[in-house]
Order: sequence, then structure tokens, then C-alpha cells
Amino acid sequence: ETGVTQSPTHLIKTRGQQVTLRCSSQSGHNTVSWYQQALGQGPQFIFQYYREEENGRGNFPPRFSGLQFPNYSSELNVNALELDDSALYLCASSLISSSGANVLTFGAGSRLTVL
Amino acid sequence: SQQGEEDPQALSIQEGENATMNCSYKTSINNLQWYRQNSGRGLVHLILIRSNEREKHSGRLRVTLDTSKKSSSLLITASRAADTASYFCALILTGGGNKLTFGTGTQLKVEL
Repeated sequence: ETGVTQSPTHLIKTRGQQVTLRCSSQSGHNTVSWYQQALGQGPQFIFQYYREEENGRGNFPPRFSGLQFPNYSSELNVNALELDDSALYLCASSLISSSGANVLTFGAGSRLTVL
Repeated sequence: SQQGEEDPQALSIQEGENATMNCSYKTSINNLQWYRQNSGRGLVHLILIRSNEREKHSGRLRVTLDTSKKSSSLLITASRAADTASYFCALILTGGGNKLTFGTGTQLKVEL
């Protein structure tokens, strides 16, 4: 059973550029969530995808967008990068069940630096 | 905004001692989870406690939940240097769907 893998692990961009981060979910999971974690802070919810549809969104502007593919892999796209977008971006997959216990399996993250 | 506030922000103890960290929140929850994060890497799920439960155990971990006080605590007994990490509480809010809302975290350092 493979876990959650993310790529790239580190990247540097300049203001105004666009970035795509990728995530491969854990086998058997049907939901993927993306979080932004600034240095010294807890993860902030960006959005969640279930069956290829956005299924909840946090307080992030529309320039943060995502996709979930039929194989449950996912992308996070950020347009018009700003300095404050510098953070660790975490992907997490889960299996939504009738019990509602959404336990997340996280990837190691993609560390984005915007200069 | 962070729904969970953790206390203390940082904790330093000696190996073998117990570590207790607390999480307070403001609204009604379905369940509360604790996660661990090593040095800027991904988070690892530790334990889940439902809103109708008061205490759960998993190995050296003990979690309590007091919904009347809107607070939870995580106790790590007989700590080891390998327990050094950041610990986060995460909430499934009532009516919040399946979104997990994370707290601010407690940085635990266990010294030899």
C-alpha cells in the first residue's frame, strides 16, 4: 500500500508566476484535501475534492484552483503568485465513510518559496 | 482562522517525563483528532475522539475531551527523544462537512 506522494518537494518562483503542485493519493482513498502551512502555523484548509468535484473551500482567493483526476491524483494550481504564498503545501487523502470520521493521510509536502 | 488554540505553544521536558498539551475550541464539533508533525514534514494521524466520547487511549497516548468546556488534552506518557515534534489538534466542526480545521500547534522538545 503506497502512501501520499507529492511533487516537487521544493521549488522557487517569482512574484506573478504560476505554479502547479501534484499529489498522488493513497490507494483506496476517494477524497483529497489541500492545506497551506506558513512557517510556525497550523495547516490552513484550501479545498477538498471528492469524485473530481470541489467539495468545500477555505478562505482562499480564486487564483488557488485544483483538479482531481479519475485515478484520484490531484493538482493544486496557484496563479499570480504573491510573496505571502510562500509556504509548505500539504496534500492529504482520505476515505470518506458514513461514520464521517475523516482521517487524513498526508504527503511530505511541497515547499514553495516566492521571491 | 484557526478554530483550535493550543496550549502551551512550546514545551520542553526530560526523557521519561509526561507531556500534556491542551486544545480549546469555540464551536460544536463532531470529532477531534490529534496529529504529529516532524520538522516541517507531513502530518501523521495519532488518535481520534468522537464528541460523545470522554477518553481514549493508544499506546502511550491518552486523549480526553470535555465538550462542555470545549477542550481536549493529549497526554504522552514516558516521553522519548523521538517524540520531539509539533502536535496539532484538528476539528471536524458540526455542519462543517468533512473539512478538518487545525489548531496552532504545540512544539514539544524531549531532551535526553
